[in-house]
This record gives sequence, C-alpha cells and structure tokens, in this order.
Amino acid sequence: AQSVTQLGSHVSVSEGALVLLRCNYSSSVPPYLFWYVQYPNQGLQLLLKYTTGATLVKGINGFEAEFKKSETSFHLTKPSAHMSDAAEYFCAVRPFSGGYNKLIFGAGTRLAVHP
Amino acid sequence: EAGVVQSPRYKIIEKKQPVAFWCNPISGHNTLYWYRQNLGQGPELLIRYENEEAVDDSQLPKDRFSAERLKGVDSTLKIQPAELGDSAVYLCASSLEGHEQYFGPGTRLTVT
Repeated sequence: AQSVTQLGSHVSVSEGALVLLRCNYSSSVPPYLFWYVQYPNQGLQLLLKYTTGATLVKGINGFEAEFKKSETSFHLTKPSAHMSDAAEYFCAVRPFSGGYNKLIFGAGTRLAVHP
Repeated sequence: EAGVVQSPRYKIIEKKQPVAFWCNPISGHNTLYWYRQNLGQGPELLIRYENEEAVDDSQLPKDRFSAERLKGVDSTLKIQPAELGDSAVYLCASSLEGHEQYFGPGTRLTVT
C-alpha cells in the first residue's frame, strides 16, 4: 500500500531563513505528488503538484518542491520564510492507478516562524 | 466563484447523540469527497461520490456512519450514535472528475 512519511511533525525557523519540509513516499511507480497548506480553522489549499515533466515544481507563495525518484522524495522549500507562512503543511500522493483521484496524506508538519 | 461550503463549522455533542454535517461543492464539480482528520494527522478518505453514486466507501464505518448525495450536488454525512473517538475535523472536497480537489473549511466535531 502507498504511504507518505513527513519527517518532523514540528519545524521552527526564523523569519528570512530557509524553509525545508521533508516528504518521502513509498511506491514502485512514481505517483502524482502534492503539497497542501492548512491555516488555522481553514481547509486545505493546494501549494503545488508534480505529475510529469520537470522535476522542480514552483507553487504559490514562493514555495517549490523537487521530485527525486531515486530518493522517493518530494521535499518542499522556500528560500526565505515569512511570518505568514506559519501553518500546517501536508504532503500527499495520488497513486498512479489511472482514473481515480484518491489522495493519501502524510501526518503533516507544523511550521512555526519566529521573528 | 464560491468555494466548497460546509456547515456547521463547529459542533459539540454528547456521546450517543446523532450529528449531521452538510456540504455544498463547487458548482459543476461531479466528484465529492468526505475526509476525516484526527488531531495531529492528515485527512483520511471516508467516502467518494461520482455524481450521486458512492463509488468508494470502503473506509466508512457503516455501523454508525451514513452519507448521501441526493441529486448529485449537496451531500450530508451522518453519525448515529456518536462516540468519543469520532471527535475530529470532517472535511468535504470536490473536484471535476480527476482534477484538483478543492477543500472546504471543515466541521470540527467534539464528542463529550
């Protein structure tokens, strides 16, 4: 069965510092990969996604992620953290089974940004 | 364009009581999903509808949970009777066939 592992349930960075949130997936066939952000008391919002093509994917709010097949990873980065980036981030996979838009989520990483 | 609408946003009930959640998907989206998000975890799919047909309800605890999507638009998720372990956030999402899922704000359920 497919699974998603997010290393670090809590990450804390200083404003202006690099943000790195880790995600590894288990799949014999590279799935579609997603990062979602969830602000307090709100639903999930899509940050970016990888389906095919270029392995470096740019998303909203200055975030980007790189798909590395050899490492089965899809880590999320942002060069300079902003206070407004404080939220919970979820990595998700969509199994490449064709035709079914099922998402399997990781447990999430809560990002704190301090001055 | 309006997003996915859910109500109520918060609900507190005593155990053994019934509860219902309502979801209005984005207009034109034929696929509707209900997820449960336990504290400190990612969302887990409970049921997926294609139009009015439930095509995947394998994760829905059918002894106490039920769902319906009459006319293939709005959907209701019901729990009867509720248990303490049902405390969670219930998220509704919709998509146009196999495309991106859009999530509602969720209903936070507390069972006391």
